Amino acid sequence: DVKVTQSSRYLVKRTGEKVFLECVQDMDHENMFWYRQDPGLGLRLIYFSYDVKMKEKGDIPEGYSVSREKKERFSLILESASTNQTSMYLCASSMHNVQFFGPGTRLTVL
Amino acid sequence: AQSVTQLDSQVPVFEEAPVELRCNYSSSVSVYLFWYVQYPNQGLQLLLKYLSGSTLVESINGFEAEFNKSQTSFHLRKPSVHISDTAEYFCAVSVLQGAQKLVFGQGTRLTINP
Repeated sequence: DVKVTQSSRYLVKRTGEKVFLECVQDMDHENMFWYRQDPGLGLRLIYFSYDVKMKEKGDIPEGYSVSREKKERFSLILESASTNQTSMYLCASSMHNVQFFGPGTRLTVL
Repeated sequence: AQSVTQLDSQVPVFEEAPVELRCNYSSSVSVYLFWYVQYPNQGLQLLLKYLSGSTLVESINGFEAEFNKSQTSFHLRKPSVHISDTAEYFCAVSVLQGAQKLVFGQGTRLTINP
């Protein structure tokens, strides 16, 4: 069965902290994605990766970076968290044009 | 660039009534089309997809969607809804080539009343 896991369901951080969100998939997929979900805006793509150590900016990359050292793991990094990064973060991996999503991490930045 | 518009942010219906969730897209190239569902406090699950072939696609739980190229629409329908269908529904498109990025609509919250 398809499995995408995210390291935390809920996370509370303070402004200025460095935040790591981890995502792991067990399906040997090449493509992985990070989105943020906000009410009334749907999902917006932050970054994606089509291979190990390869990454591309999505629609809203400002304030974020990513790391993909191994095929199964894709990390989202908030270098200095700000209150406007309070959101739901969803990770996905894809194969044959179908994306499979993790359960999401609800991040609150105080 | 592609864009997706879901015409209704909220749709309340009574149990066993029919429902239609509307989705229009814009693209200068051919696309794949998807509907995802998000139940409360969960991630997104694929409901159905159109990649090629028959323009009418169906899911295992009674939903169907029809790809209409001339109207650039991919509306989602169910003839009789259940309480368990209460969720948020997202329409999405991706282009045929490239890294399979999805562009999502804003979402439609479907609420089923008894």
